[in-house]
Amino acid sequence: DVKVTQSSRYLVKRTGEKVFLECVQDMDHENMFWYRQDPGLGLRLIYFSYDVKMKEKGDIPEGYSVSREKKERFSLILESASTNQTSMYLCASSPTTEGPTNEKLFFGSGTQLSVL
Amino acid sequence: ILNVEQSPQSLHVQEGDSTNFTCSFPSSNFYALHWYRWETAKSPEALFVMTLNGDEKKKGRISATLNTKEGYSYLYIKGSQPEDSATYLCASLGDQGGKLIFGQGTELSVKP
Repeated sequence: DVKVTQSSRYLVKRTGEKVFLECVQDMDHENMFWYRQDPGLGLRLIYFSYDVKMKEKGDIPEGYSVSREKKERFSLILESASTNQTSMYLCASSPTTEGPTNEKLFFGSGTQLSVL
Repeated sequence: ILNVEQSPQSLHVQEGDSTNFTCSFPSSNFYALHWYRWETAKSPEALFVMTLNGDEKKKGRISATLNTKEGYSYLYIKGSQPEDSATYLCASLGDQGGKLIFGQGTELSVKP
């Protein structure tokens, strides 16, 4: 089974801190994604990557950056955390090189980040 | 930007009831429709990926239909069980550069 592992289940940070959320997948998937989930809203795409060292902005990239130095690892970085970045963050991967066409996503279990 | 809508937002049923919910999506430039189940404290898990108009998929007591011409998909659960309690997400892939657009989810609670 594909496993997508997020480094922390819960995280509490202070405003202005630099925050790293780590995601590792073990099935050699080309595509990796970071989403956030807020009450009453659908999952919103922050950033995605189709290959090592490649990144593309999603729908809400402001305040975030990403890093993909190795195929299995995709990191989300909050350069200076703010309270409006308090959210559930989900990492996902999928196994195509053409983008998420008909391929399902495999998700991690999420990181609930609270920024105080 | 594509708009994917799910209804109802939440649903409370008794064990044994059958239930269904709806996902609406823009029908133009449609590529695929995904359904996921997200149980509390677990990872969202794919149920179905559907691409063809009229497609119907089944997994145990759960089934889904797809109408790409009118832009909707139904998810049915027959004889709901407490373990079916979860948030059900649908996501549409259209002319968005390969990005899935998610609905806000339907939260299902099945009481024993």
